[in-house]
Amino acid sequence: DADVTQTPRNRITKTGKRIMLECSQTKGHDRMYWYRQDPGLGLRLIYYSFDVKDINKGEISDGYSVSRQAQAKFSLSLESAIPNQTALYFCATGTPSKQYFGPGTRLTVT
Amino acid sequence: SQELEQSPQSLIVQEGKNLTINCTSSKTLYGLYWYKQKYGEGLIFLMMLQKGGEEKSHEKITAKLDEKKQQSSLHITASQPSHAGIYLCGADRYSYNTDKLIFGTGTRLQVFP
Repeated sequence: DADVTQTPRNRITKTGKRIMLECSQTKGHDRMYWYRQDPGLGLRLIYYSFDVKDINKGEISDGYSVSRQAQAKFSLSLESAIPNQTALYFCATGTPSKQYFGPGTRLTVT
Repeated sequence: SQELEQSPQSLIVQEGKNLTINCTSSKTLYGLYWYKQKYGEGLIFLMMLQKGGEEKSHEKITAKLDEKKQQSSLHITASQPSHAGIYLCGADRYSYNTDKLIFGTGTRLQVFP
């Protein structure tokens, strides 16, 4: 089984809809991360969490919220999706010096 | 503009050839990381470099960090189809082992027989 799983793997949604992306990890690490990847812009950090009570904004947190339900679960929500949130989203866990990434969720907002 | 510039953006090589990918910053970095991304999969950690002049190798991949800690190169010797993918460099911009890594835009490598 994969160490970091993400659901769904692909999602198409409409502008204004609320959507949640989920992430689970079996690595046992406290830290978890959410990134988005866009062509020409690379990978950018959205949020990161040290534990269920410690959540921090990353580089591009506007328009997103997160929830850390347990050490192993970290979800990302788009309260009202907009087209420029179309991207590939990655969840990761680990330490700053070595992160383990999930397979990604390809989100399209029409 | 990107804080981490990678070059080239894309690379197509014949199997067996050597190649180099570069990652450059205008500022001194605290740590430099190399990851590989394959289509449909997440990023896989390759190596971390923290000291100026440091060099690390894993199988046929060697990464170096220059003395000023502003440029890193990733060298693949005798490339194979399994090396194909997107290579991304990431860096600690503010301090050692920060959670706020920045990443380059990636170099897409294709290896043909």
